[in-house]
Amino acid sequence: GAVVSQHPSWVICKSGTSVKIECRSLDFQATTMFWYRQFPKQSLMLMATSNEGSKATYEQGVEKDKFLINHASLTLSTLTVTSAHPEDSSFYICSARRTYFNYGYTFGSGTRLTVV
Amino acid sequence: GQNIDQPTEMTATEGAIVQINCTYQTSGFNGLFWYQQHAGEAPTFLSYNVLDGLEEKGRFSSFLSRSKGYSYLLLKELQMKDSASYLCAVRALNAGNNRKLIWGLGTSLAVNP
Repeated sequence: GAVVSQHPSWVICKSGTSVKIECRSLDFQATTMFWYRQFPKQSLMLMATSNEGSKATYEQGVEKDKFLINHASLTLSTLTVTSAHPEDSSFYICSARRTYFNYGYTFGSGTRLTVV
Repeated sequence: GQNIDQPTEMTATEGAIVQINCTYQTSGFNGLFWYQQHAGEAPTFLSYNVLDGLEEKGRFSSFLSRSKGYSYLLLKELQMKDSASYLCAVRALNAGNNRKLIWGLGTSLAVNP
């Protein structure tokens, strides 16, 4: 149990275009979804935290107008990278915290974004 | 401030035991996690400690001392597939009582035959 499905696994896009990444909790309800970015050989950097039905809370330095997060239901959260630039190329990972589950965080499989 | 330290790299031999240390300085401590991450993949959960002591789960054990701000992950009977990055993460409660995970930079473990 506790599976988070993340799509796409990898995507290549042109500069200036937008890319949407989806994370779905398949067998549990995710009250909170965390979105991370990871550069090569670096640790996970939290971008934002989203709770179902409310606006996401962004970490300092993360542009909320560039990284749009929607958490419309207990099983789906999306991250849209708008007007992507090469410096946005990174590994994006979502993580869900289960409702009524004290400490479990389940990660999606990650999305490798390359902006050319 | 919030800070987590762990060694950058470690090397060990197949079949041996290795201990990966993690020290932290955080306010509002609310648990410590260890995750394993293979290159290009998402992290997978290994262990969770919130009280002092040792938690054992098969070949993996994790220890916590809250007074010392210290944890370690112990891997026994090392296998080649254990070559990965091991991430220490501390959950902290902020002023608004919201939980947040603070991640270390990870320890890259190489297991040699």
